[in-house]
Amino acid sequence: QQQVKQSPQSLIVQKGGISIINCAYENTAFDYFPWYQQFPGKGPALLIAIRPDVSEKKEGRFTISFNKSAKQFSLHIMDSQPGDSATYFCAASKAAGNKLTFGGGTRVLVKP
Amino acid sequence: NAGVMQNPRHLVRRRGQEARLRCSPMKGHSHVYWYRQLPEEGLKFMVYLQKENIIDESGMPKERFSAEFPKEGPSILRIQQVVRGDSAAYFCASSREHLNTGELFFGEGSRLTVL
Repeated sequence: QQQVKQSPQSLIVQKGGISIINCAYENTAFDYFPWYQQFPGKGPALLIAIRPDVSEKKEGRFTISFNKSAKQFSLHIMDSQPGDSATYFCAASKAAGNKLTFGGGTRVLVKP
Repeated sequence: NAGVMQNPRHLVRRRGQEARLRCSPMKGHSHVYWYRQLPEEGLKFMVYLQKENIIDESGMPKERFSAEFPKEGPSILRIQQVVRGDSAAYFCASSREHLNTGELFFGEGSRLTVL
């Protein structure tokens, strides 16, 4: 049972463009939604995170939008740069839970 | 301030051999998590440990896999009698407190190849 579904699997965007990655979850007990960035050969690193009491969170060029009723959240990368080329994972956890449940990942390639 | 340290970074085993993966959490972190990443897939939770205790092993295969986090020393993920399907990247993560914010710090992974 895949509890967090992520799309698209891959994305190509021109430098300066907007990258948009979407995730949908099933478990209404989830209440913490982080995004992780992973470069080839490296471990994932926390990028930005949101709780369902807010509908949007922005940190620099990265924005999370959250729709609690639709059980969906998305990552927007504004003014995408070649250095943003990486795999992005959404994830979810419960407040009292012991683990993060990850989406399948989106490989983003930013062309110069 | 060293991050999460995993070794070996790369490990090659033949079918039937044993694989031992080690993880030293960040300084001050007492919670350790192991995740497995198959090629072109996301990370799958395996086990969550605190010092000397397995808290949640709901993602661990029932056979051949075990994990420990002793009072002294690193956490160990042990895979006995490896099969080709065990080939994957195994990531360790640590946190200072019980996971309630999603702020895990990951190591760079151990990549197991089973011939």
